[in-house]
Amino acid sequence: DGGITQSPKYLFRKEGQNVTLSCEQNLNHDAMYWYRQDPGQGLRLIYYSQIVNDFQKGDIAEGYSVSREKKESFPLTVTSAQKNPTAFYLCASSPSGQGRSPLHFGNGTRLTVT
Amino acid sequence: DQQVKQNSPSLSVQEGRISILNCDYTNSMFDYFLWYKKYPAEGPTFLISISSIKDKNEDGRFTVFLNKSAKHLSLHIVPSQPGDSAVYFCAARETSGSRLTFGEGTQLTVNP
Repeated sequence: DGGITQSPKYLFRKEGQNVTLSCEQNLNHDAMYWYRQDPGQGLRLIYYSQIVNDFQKGDIAEGYSVSREKKESFPLTVTSAQKNPTAFYLCASSPSGQGRSPLHFGNGTRLTVT
Repeated sequence: DQQVKQNSPSLSVQEGRISILNCDYTNSMFDYFLWYKKYPAEGPTFLISISSIKDKNEDGRFTVFLNKSAKHLSLHIVPSQPGDSAVYFCAARETSGSRLTFGEGTQLTVNP
C-alpha cells in the first residue's frame, strides 16, 4: 500500500525546544515538499527537495531545517528560532519536481508549542 | 505577494445544486492548475487539473474552467452532495517549476 506517512499525528513541545517531524514515502517519488497550514492562509511552502542530498527554501523557510539523505525520507526540524511554530504541517511528494504530476499529501502533523 | 487568490472563504449550497468555486492568479508563468479537496485533520487530496493549453477539463461531477486572459479558473461541482463539504484549494505551477503555489482555500458546505 503506497503512500506518505507522517508521524506523529499530534505533537506537543515547550517553547525553546527543537522538534523534528517525520515524513516517509514508499511511492518512489523523487520530489518531496513541506507545507504549513494556518487558518485563512492556505498552504505555504517551507522547503522542497527534487533529488536526494539537495533541497531548496520555500516561501517561509526561516526557523526550519530539513535533510534529504534518503529518497524516501524528508524530515523537517522546527527550531526554537521559528517565531510561530504552532501549526498543521503537511508533507507531500511527486514523481518528479516538474511537469504535470500532482502532489500527493500525507495526513499531516499538528504541532502545538506552549 | 499572493500569486493565487481564492476570494471567497466560504460557500454554502443546497444538495443537488451546482457549486462554483473561483480562483484568480497573477503570475503569467503559471501553466498548470490543480484543485485539491481537504477534510479537517487530513492531507489534501487531488481532484482535477488543467493545463494552460486547454480551457476546460471534466471528470465526472467535477469540471474545471480556465480563462487565461482573465487569469481566472473555476471548479464546478454538479450535482453537489453533502460529502463534498470540505475546504477546496486551488494551486498553480510554473512551466519549468517544481513548487506548487496554493490559494487560501474555500470552505464548501453542501446542505441536505
